Amino acid sequence: IAGITQAPTSQILAAGRRMTLRCTQDMRHNAMYWYRQDLGLGLRLIHYSNTAGTTGKGEVPDGYSVSRANTDDFPLTLASAVPSQTSVYFCASSDQAGRANEQFFGPGTRLTVL
Amino acid sequence: AQSVTQLGSHVSVSEGALVLLRCNYSSSVPPYLFWYVQYPNQGLQLLLKYTTGATLVKGINGFEAEFKKSETSFHLTKPSAHMSDAAEYFCAVSERSGGYQKVTFGTGTKLQVIP
Repeated sequence: IAGITQAPTSQILAAGRRMTLRCTQDMRHNAMYWYRQDLGLGLRLIHYSNTAGTTGKGEVPDGYSVSRANTDDFPLTLASAVPSQTSVYFCASSDQAGRANEQFFGPGTRLTVL
Repeated sequence: AQSVTQLGSHVSVSEGALVLLRCNYSSSVPPYLFWYVQYPNQGLQLLLKYTTGATLVKGINGFEAEFKKSETSFHLTKPSAHMSDAAEYFCAVSERSGGYQKVTFGTGTKLQVIP
C-alpha cells in the first residue's frame, strides 16, 4: 500500500510559468488537503476537498487552484508562479473531514521559483 | 479561533535522557489535540491524539502526552530518548470550521539526540 504519492519530488521553476503538483492516494479517503510548509511558519492550508467533486479555500489560497475529479487525485496548480511560492508542498488525506480524524501526509514536493 | 504555541524551536537531549516537548493551545471549544512527527525529507505522521476521555494518551515509539485543561497544555514526553527520535515534532489542534477539518499546526520543535 503506497498511501499518498506526490510528484514531482522537487522542481525548479521560472517565475511566470504554470506548474501542476500531483497527488494521488490509494486509501479511498474522502477528504484531501494541500499544505505549504515554510520555515518558522509551520504548515498552512492552501485548499481542501471534503469529497470528490467539491473543493474549498484554506488559509492561503491566492495564486493556487485545485480540482477533485475523482476520489484518488487532487492536483494543485500554480497558474503563474512567483518567488513567494517557493516552499515545500504537502498533500494529505483523511477518511472523513471530522475534527477527530488523523491526516495522512505524502512525502512532499520541494518547489523553488526563481 | 484556535492556536498552538510550541516552546522551543530546537531541543537537544542526550541519548537515554527524558524528552519533553512543550505545547500550549488556545481553543474556543473543547480541543482535539494531535502530535505529529516529521523525519527528514518525509511527510508528517501521527504520533498520538487526544479527543475525549483519558487525559494521558499513549502513542507510537514510546511517546505519550497529557492533556491538562487547567494549563491549556498538551506536552509530549518520552522517558528515554533514542537516536532514532531525532526529528521535528508538531503539535496541532483541530476543529470543524467552515465545513472542513481545520487543523492549526504549531511551528514545530526540532529534536536533536546527542550520543
